Amino acid sequence: DAMVIQNPRYQVTQFGKPVTLSCSQTLNHNVMYWYQQKSSQAPKLLFHYYDKDFNNEADTPDNFQSRRPNTSFCFLDIRSPGLGDAAMYLCATSSPGTGTEQYFGPGTRLTVT
Amino acid sequence: AQSVTQLDSQVPVFEEAPVELRCNYSSSVSVYLFWYVQYPNQGLQLLLKYLSGSTLVESINGFEAEFNKSQTSFHLRKPSVHISDTAEYFCAVAGGGGNKLTFGTGTQLKVEL
Repeated sequence: DAMVIQNPRYQVTQFGKPVTLSCSQTLNHNVMYWYQQKSSQAPKLLFHYYDKDFNNEADTPDNFQSRRPNTSFCFLDIRSPGLGDAAMYLCATSSPGTGTEQYFGPGTRLTVT
Repeated sequence: AQSVTQLDSQVPVFEEAPVELRCNYSSSVSVYLFWYVQYPNQGLQLLLKYLSGSTLVESINGFEAEFNKSQTSFHLRKPSVHISDTAEYFCAVAGGGGNKLTFGTGTQLKVEL
């Protein structure tokens, strides 16, 4: 089945220690998104790629970076995680165009100790 | 700029009772509206969407939502809920070009026996 895969599902990192979360897709979608979702809150878009074109949200901290080496893979790098970065990180993909469905992965729950 | 308001953070309901989850949006352009469902420790799944045409849209599992432009609403309803409907429900809007979603803060539906 075509899908969006996120690894790992659970990640524990130490305060200030860089961490990378990964996302892969078999849907061959042009657009990939990274969302941050804190407990009992709405998902918040961090950035998205349209093919290799990177689009950062204005309020995304510089601590968050992303890489998309090819159509299938996208990575979220947190350079120096703080306690406030503990959250569920969701990857999603879609075809281009307004109104097209976004397909979400299961998420990676990040804990910062 | 767009925004979504979900007034009810939690909705408890007995099994087989009807339920309505409210969603209001604000946008200066034509919008596309979505309801996503999130089960515990999982990603979001599309429940239904309104893009154009009939203002009443239905999902395969008995949910429906009606787009009301004059009231800027997209309330979600189900005439008879099941225990398995217990989940978090997010209303979202896309519009103004591109496919970026703005989510509401979510409504936790808890179905009780």
